[in-house]
Amino acid sequence: DTGVSQDPRHKITKRGQNVTFRCDPISEHNRLYWYRQTLGQGPEFLTYFQNEAQLEKSRLLSDRFSAERPKGSFSTLEIQRTEQGDSAMYLCASSLVGTGHNEQFFGPGTRLTVL
Amino acid sequence: KQEVTQIPAALSVPEGENLVLNCSFTDSAIYNLQWFRQDPGKGLTSLLLIQSSQREQTSGRLNASLDKSSGRSTLYIAASQPGDSATYLCAGRLGSNYKLTFGKGTLLTVNP
Repeated sequence: DTGVSQDPRHKITKRGQNVTFRCDPISEHNRLYWYRQTLGQGPEFLTYFQNEAQLEKSRLLSDRFSAERPKGSFSTLEIQRTEQGDSAMYLCASSLVGTGHNEQFFGPGTRLTVL
Repeated sequence: KQEVTQIPAALSVPEGENLVLNCSFTDSAIYNLQWFRQDPGKGLTSLLLIQSSQREQTSGRLNASLDKSSGRSTLYIAASQPGDSATYLCAGRLGSNYKLTFGKGTLLTVNP
């Protein structure tokens, strides 16, 4: 499978716990994006990387959220001290610079439930 | 604030009908627009991407158009099938941003 992969697919945690999600982009894609989607809404942008550099962060990304992309390959999104409002689907996407149109390809998502 | 709006929010049609989904955006400086399909509880599947210099794109039974001057895009689905039932999302790369701004989607149900 050469698509975007995400792990885990589902995560249930208790309020106050820390969680970490992983995203593996399509091989050779140098841009990687994180989005969050709540029920009945479209995805909302959180942050994006070009190679290992984090170039933009949304105001939605509070201090409890941190994302990394070491070595410009896979990325992790960590949420500290989770709150019930963090319950959502977390989507990762990747794209390739230089194709002109920056088409984004999405992974299957990680569904987070905070009890 | 850059916004993307989709109407209708839900649509139910009988099998075989041709249908149009609508998307409007507030930023005329749109760079490109993507249409996605999302099945319940799943990720997004890219259907079509239209660059700002293009007026339409076609893939099989799908045809997407883009009118920058009016801030609108449409997704036309020909000869709909029950397997087309899903939520359809449009997303614009607006202005100089690389991020996508999404609409809330149209939930399509095709009845056999």
